[in-house]
Amino acid sequence: QVQLVESGGGVVQPGRSLRLSCAASGFTFTNYGMHWVRQAPGKGLEWVAVIWYDGSNKYYADSVKGRFTISRDNSKNTLYLQMNSLRAEDTAVYYCARRRIAVAGYYFDYWGQGTLVTVSS
Amino acid sequence: AIQLTQSPSSLSASVGDRVTITCRASQGISSALAWYQQKPGKAPKLLIYDASSLESGVPSRFSGSGSGTDFTLTISSLQPEDFATYYCQQFNNYLYTFGQGTKLEIK
Repeated sequence: QVQLVESGGGVVQPGRSLRLSCAASGFTFTNYGMHWVRQAPGKGLEWVAVIWYDGSNKYYADSVKGRFTISRDNSKNTLYLQMNSLRAEDTAVYYCARRRIAVAGYYFDYWGQGTLVTVSS
Repeated sequence: AIQLTQSPSSLSASVGDRVTITCRASQGISSALAWYQQKPGKAPKLLIYDASSLESGVPSRFSGSGSGTDFTLTISSLQPEDFATYYCQQFNNYLYTFGQGTKLEIK
């Protein structure tokens, strides 16, 4: 079965960096694009970034562009999110999710359990 | 960026009720809309994609409809496990957005 397991969350000071990982199993990782989606405490869902199956294309939400970098290592079936210049408003649970390409649009069909990032001094 | 507005923001209903949640897009998105269910402390779960296609394994009491700017998620007969928060989501021009969520509570 499809499994996505995030790790790397924790408490970090404003302005510092953190790297999240998402270990994938149960499917052919190299065939799928992958996303990061976040959810601030008590708030709704916010898409963060997407990377193509081969890493050839990456897109970011305006709120993280220039500070966050999505990447993947297909030899390790692992997705990453490098987060630099962290701000208090980046505090959230970060989920990795698999990209579904359907007839009309693009969605998130499997999600990890999430990892909490807290930005605080 | 396209905005999605869900209504209502919260809803109280009873087991067995028929419930409808609406999602309105700020511009036309054809049928490129999905619905997700999220329970407290859990990851979202895909229910409906392409506005009306039921995800594998999702009970048939869930259905979706609409196209263009107006979409609905209907639960035909609420079950205890359906009390959760529901989000719509769209994709446009390489960007993804979610509605603000609808919290479905037990009356």
